[in-house]
Amino acid sequence: NAGVMQNPRHLVRRRGQEARLRCSPMKGHSHVYWYRQLPEEGLKFMVYLQKENIIDESGMPKERFSAEFPKEGPSILRIQQVVRGDSAAYFCASSPSAGTSTIYFGEGSWLTVV
Amino acid sequence: AQRVTQPEKLLSVFKGAPVELKCNYSYSGSPELFWYVQYSRQRLQLLLRHISRESIKGFTADLNKGETSFHLKKPFAQEEDSAMYYCALLTQGGSEKLVFGKGTKLTVNP
Repeated sequence: NAGVMQNPRHLVRRRGQEARLRCSPMKGHSHVYWYRQLPEEGLKFMVYLQKENIIDESGMPKERFSAEFPKEGPSILRIQQVVRGDSAAYFCASSPSAGTSTIYFGEGSWLTVV
Repeated sequence: AQRVTQPEKLLSVFKGAPVELKCNYSYSGSPELFWYVQYSRQRLQLLLRHISRESIKGFTADLNKGETSFHLKKPFAQEEDSAMYYCALLTQGGSEKLVFGKGTKLTVNP
């Protein structure tokens, strides 16, 4: 089992461009979570998805950010028209079912906006 | 409201000294608490969960519901323990997700 796979590990974007971060959950996991880690800050919850459904997006900024977890393929976190403040590490986590305490994290994607 | 507080942003100890990383929580339900460790720019790894009452790498943590705390302790710190430590609370009912504290950076000096 390869674990939670995130790519790219590092991404550099100019202001105004789009960033797409991908997350493949562990095999057999149908629940995906995205967290953002700003410099010198803890992890902030962004969104919780199941296959084809957004369960909780209470931590997502209202504009420019979107997430999906299609029936086939990885979960995608999309940031449109990036700004410098979007520079952060974005961590994906997955679990096999809701309410489980078995949540595994990926290695993160580091976004730098220049 | 659910909230996890780690009052110390930085903690520095010498090798062999005891270490305690503080964590307090606020949650109306029955809490399920965790400690995660993150070594430099790596993934978060689960260190402990309170329900299993296990000891990993010499670390222990006891849930104190009266004080709403879940402090992480180790009697003799090692240099390889230097890392970021995050306390987390699993919310239940509806949207289950982990809520993290801001983390404590532990440095163990030789």
